[in-house]
Amino acid sequence: EAGVTQSPTHLIKTRGQQATLRCSPISGHTSVYWYQQALGLGLQFLLWYDEGEERNRGNFPPRFSGRQFPNYSSELNVNALELEDSALYLCASSRDRGVYGYTFGSGTRLTVV
Amino acid sequence: AQRVTQPEKLLSVFKGAPVELKCNYSYSGSPELFWYVQYSRQRLQLLLRHISRESIKGFTADLNKGETSFHLKKPFAQEEDSAMYYCALSGSARQLTFGSGTQLTVLP
Repeated sequence: EAGVTQSPTHLIKTRGQQATLRCSPISGHTSVYWYQQALGLGLQFLLWYDEGEERNRGNFPPRFSGRQFPNYSSELNVNALELEDSALYLCASSRDRGVYGYTFGSGTRLTVV
Repeated sequence: AQRVTQPEKLLSVFKGAPVELKCNYSYSGSPELFWYVQYSRQRLQLLLRHISRESIKGFTADLNKGETSFHLKKPFAQEEDSAMYYCALSGSARQLTFGSGTQLTVLP
């Protein structure tokens, strides 16, 4: 079974630009979660999508947004990038809305210069 | 609001010694609790969940609702257990809230 795949692995952007990160969940998983892992700040919840709808979002500004496509893959967009957005962005997927836990991808390392 | 606290950022034990990684939570309802592990240069992976009452790689964790704790234990630590361990809670909102993690080092 293929795991959760994220692309790109690394992304370097300039302050003020937009970044798009992609995630493909495990087959059969309908929920996708996005987390930010910044140095020293642990794993911070960003967004949760289930069945194509945004179900919940964490304490992040509106310039962090995303969507889930009919095939359950997901995209995270970060507009007007700031230096402090530099972090590892992790995507996870689950079935049954996470009752059995999540499966994580390897992440996208975003560097804003 | 839900919160997970892992009081130890770093923990070192000798090989063969018992190990306990502490996790306390704050949540008003009935939580679902998990332990995740991240080995060096690998992705975050689920170690165990309290609803399964399972033992994985010799690790166990018991949910203590009175003390609101979910400590991870292993009677005899191995060098390959060295990793970052995260405790996580899922509440009614159905997204995981993670603790800040404990870096476990098992010394030879």
